[in-house]
Formats: sequence, structure tokens, C-alpha cells
Amino acid sequence: ETGVTQSPTHLIKTRGQQVTLRCSSQSGHNTVSWYQQALGQGPQFIFQYYREEENGRGNFPPRFSGLQFPNYSSELNVNALELDDSALYLCASSWGVAGGEAFFGQGTRLTVV
Amino acid sequence: DAKTTQPNSMESNEEEPVHLPCNHSTISGTDYIHWYRQLPSQGPEYVIHGLTSNVNNRMASLAIAEDRKSSTLILHRATLRDAAVYYCILRDPGGSQGNLIFGKGTKLSVKP
Repeated sequence: ETGVTQSPTHLIKTRGQQVTLRCSSQSGHNTVSWYQQALGQGPQFIFQYYREEENGRGNFPPRFSGLQFPNYSSELNVNALELDDSALYLCASSWGVAGGEAFFGQGTRLTVV
Repeated sequence: DAKTTQPNSMESNEEEPVHLPCNHSTISGTDYIHWYRQLPSQGPEYVIHGLTSNVNNRMASLAIAEDRKSSTLILHRATLRDAAVYYCILRDPGGSQGNLIFGKGTKLSVKP
């Protein structure tokens, strides 16, 4: 079974630009969650997708959006990038909506300049 | 969601046991106690979880207080590879969404 993979691993963008981050979930998992981790902090929940539908959202503005595809891979899109968006973005996959073990990818380090 | 409280940091010597505490006084009857850890430059990694009884797996043991208001993650013999941030998280499997609510966790340092 393959693990969760994220791409790219590192990215530098300019303020105001848009970015798309990608996540391939672990084989057999139908749920993907995205988290933002600022330096020195724990990960903060952005949103979750279950069977291609958004199934919950944290305290993030609408310029953070996502998609889940029929193969359960997922994208995180961020529009109008701000300097504070600089962070590690983590994707986690699991089976089902709640409970059980979540498998995380290595993350995408986004730097906004 | 119920909150957890953990010490900011702890130190251990290699090959000695480590007891990482977590307080969760507002835990509900349906909340499971989950532990994840995050090694430097990596995503979080599942360690263990339990409801009421103590749990053991190949990585660690989880001791849960009888009133469930606190728990302790036990690493039986710390290695340098166990140096990480450890997060204690409450999760309700019957909840409408499965997001994990991370605090700042406990940063564990292991000295050779």
C-alpha cells in the first residue's frame, strides 16, 4: 500500500498570487483533510473532503478552497496569497469521516514573499 | 470540542522510560484519546489511541485514568528517534467530521 504523497515539497510565491497544492491519499482511503501548520504551532484544520464533498471546514476564509477527485486525491487552492499564508500545508487521509487513524503526508512548505 | 493540556517540553535520557502526561478534564463519554507525534521536518504520525482501558502497541503504551480526565503516553525505552513533538487529541468517532484538533503538544528531547 502506498502512503500519502504531497506535491510540491517546497514552493515560493509572491503576495497576491494563487497556488495549488496536491495530495494523493493512501490506497483505500476515501477521506482527505488539509491542515496548515505555522512555525512552532500545531497543525490547524482547514477542511475535510469525503467522497468528493466538503465535509467540514475550520476557521479559514473562502480564498482557501479545495477539491477531491473520484480517485480520492485532492487539491488545496489558495487565492490572493498573503504573507501570513507562509506555512507547512499537510494533507491527511483516512477511511471514513471520523475516528480511526489518519495518515499524513510530508507536507508542502509554502513561502509567500 | 474538548481541550487537552500538555507540558510544553520534556527531556529524557536514551534507553530510559518516558511518561508524557495529558489532562483532558472536559472529556465526554464518547471521546477517544489519540496520540500523534511529529518528527522534525515530517508530517504527524499516529502513535496510539484508546477509550477507557490501557492500550499497548509496538510503539508505546497508553495509560488512561479511571475517571478519564487524564492519560499518559509511555515510551518504554526512549531512543534518539523518539525526539519529536507529541500531541494528545480527543476525537469522537460519532462526530460529523473527523478533523483533529492539535494543541502545541509536548516537545520531547532525548539525550544520548
